[in-house]
Amino acid sequence: GQQLNQSPQSMFIQEGEDVSMNCTSSSIFNTWLWYKQEPGEGPVLLIALYKAGELTSNGRLTAQFGITRKDSFLNISASIPSDVGIYFCAGQRRGTALIFGKGTTLSVSS
Amino acid sequence: SAVISQKPSRDICQRGTSLTIQCQVDSQVTMMFWYRQQPGQSLTLIATANQGSEATYESGFVIDKFPISRPNLTFSTLTVSNMSPEDSSIYLCSVDPGGDGYTFGSGTRLTVV
Repeated sequence: GQQLNQSPQSMFIQEGEDVSMNCTSSSIFNTWLWYKQEPGEGPVLLIALYKAGELTSNGRLTAQFGITRKDSFLNISASIPSDVGIYFCAGQRRGTALIFGKGTTLSVSS
Repeated sequence: SAVISQKPSRDICQRGTSLTIQCQVDSQVTMMFWYRQQPGQSLTLIATANQGSEATYESGFVIDKFPISRPNLTFSTLTVSNMSPEDSSIYLCSVDPGGDGYTFGSGTRLTVV
């Protein structure tokens, strides 16, 4: 099935650094979502975006819905060890299920 | 947001057998979604389950292999039939009860030997 282009595939950073990851699509979405998945768990919703241009924060996380509706980014500021996990973007068109990116694996060393 | 109870959380099954995964939601939802996450991969939609109608399957997934039941607005099951080692994956159910973003169950980690 269709997937979103998510990058980078993996990141290895030092504690305290900022992180940025993004997703792009060749088609428009009505909603962009960012999830985090830890080992043995299902994905947990971090941020949901519903309007083109929307910029939303959740603690140290900030995400934006691209103005073209074909992309989104997620920033994590001042990373900490518990930020480790796999981050997935997901896009949705009205009345349809989510389409996921391939994920960004984040490793944080203290 | 909705709370989803999914079980079993994990199982090891013999090839050729079938496993039924249950998903219980604490609120009524119109649509429930079943995803598969193969090792090291992203999530792929298997099917959408509406109460009172046949599930809608995505390309590459068929009802004979992944039969789905949706007897009411809070419950669904996914069966993985005639399993082979290639079916070893995490299977997840998901709902979007209030338009605030999809909620996922904790997943069923299936290993077929």
